[in-house]
Amino acid sequence: QLQLQESGPGLVKPSETLSLTCTVSGGPISSNSYFWGWIRQPPGKGLEWIGNIYYTGTTYYNPSLESRVTISIDTSKNQFSLKLSSVTAADTAVYYCGRRTYYYETGGYYFDYWGQGTLVTVSS
Amino acid sequence: EIVLTQSPGTLSLSPGERATLSCRASQSVSSTYLAWYQQKPGQAPRLLIYGPSSRATGIPDRFSGSGSGTDFTLTISRLEPEDFAMYYCQHYDTSSLTFGGGTKVEIK
Repeated sequence: QLQLQESGPGLVKPSETLSLTCTVSGGPISSNSYFWGWIRQPPGKGLEWIGNIYYTGTTYYNPSLESRVTISIDTSKNQFSLKLSSVTAADTAVYYCGRRTYYYETGGYYFDYWGQGTLVTVSS
Repeated sequence: EIVLTQSPGTLSLSPGERATLSCRASQSVSSTYLAWYQQKPGQAPRLLIYGPSSRATGIPDRFSGSGSGTDFTLTISRLEPEDFAMYYCQHYDTSSLTFGGGTKVEIK
């Protein structure tokens, strides 16, 4: 059974860099059928896509966050990571990592596995 | 950038009733890349429907999806107690991915 687990500090100071890692277990991160992504959800609000990474290192970012976001992948550790710089209180959210799988019957990619999420609070 | 607008914001229904949730895109989109997710409090979202009418693994057949162009619908034929939750539509294209604002299905 595939599992994804987010890890990282739960409290980050304003203007600093938020860093999270997603560890994937129960399956390979190096596959051409998957993208790996980060999504966040401010308390009481909806979902916001942050970005995706392919096992080759190709990345796609939300245009509204692109200037502050870096997603990287370490296939040797079956992990991928998120860095979000210059954080403010508006970046306080539950951060989820997820797997987007290619479904051959439709030809699309969808998030079919998610981590449990980790709350990151931006506060001094 | 495509904007997805979900309506209504809240749907108050009783168990056994039919729920119809709407997702409208700001421009015509490929239905292949449209999906619906269910989220319960304190949990991660769960894939329900994709492409836009295929059910994900383990999803009961009371859930169905339809639509094309700019208008998409998630229907729950008969609400079970475990179906009261938030529902999000989601679309992606070659470079970006967008979620709708969500519809809360609550017990009346």
